[in-house]
Amino acid sequence: GAVVSQHPSWVICKSGTSVKIECRSLDFQATTMFWYRQFPKQSLMLMATSNEGSKATYEQGVEKDKFLINHASLTLSTLTVTSAHPEDSSFYICSAGSGPYSNQPQHFGDGTRLSIL
Amino acid sequence: DQQVKQNSPSLSVQEGRISILNCDYTNSMFDYFLWYKKYPAEGPTFLISISSIKDKNEDGRFTVFLNKSAKHLSLHIVPSQPGDSAVYFCAAEEKSSGNTGKLIFGQGTTLQVKP
Repeated sequence: GAVVSQHPSWVICKSGTSVKIECRSLDFQATTMFWYRQFPKQSLMLMATSNEGSKATYEQGVEKDKFLINHASLTLSTLTVTSAHPEDSSFYICSAGSGPYSNQPQHFGDGTRLSIL
Repeated sequence: DQQVKQNSPSLSVQEGRISILNCDYTNSMFDYFLWYKKYPAEGPTFLISISSIKDKNEDGRFTVFLNKSAKHLSLHIVPSQPGDSAVYFCAAEEKSSGNTGKLIFGQGTTLQVKP
């Protein structure tokens, strides 16, 4: 089946640093990738939608200058948390899809646990 | 505004019995529904989906029922197995509107299947 690889799986870093998370679709071309954030015992909250070669669409309340998304190819999207602070600590998950008219469901990566000290 | 709701945060069933997980939605534009299973520190894994033109979809031990008039769907797992213990998320999508394919998730229900 489809595989989405997300790296790193766990990051601990100091406040003020920037962290880059990669999301790769390994066996299919992902026209659209999604970035979610999950707080403990809560739902997955969509942060942004990225389409290959175009700017990401951010959900209301998500700072685009804080969470930089790049979708340079059909198999790779990156999320960079800039100048991270403790309140950015969370579980970040990406998913990859083949577009809204595809019958294939989105497939998720295994997530990145981000801890800002 | 929670467009997709899973009102039961947890469910406990005995091995071999049926597990029924429920999900309600408010947006009548949703026309595609999915169930995902999630283990701690992992991403969600797709289980089963249903289009709004159907009222039932079955895949092995998993069956999803959709009641459009009630804006309600449910996931039935029978027989339940200890390995089914996980968090189950219901998700909805507006496919026909040309939406980008973004999913709206419920809060999740933690299922525990006891041996």
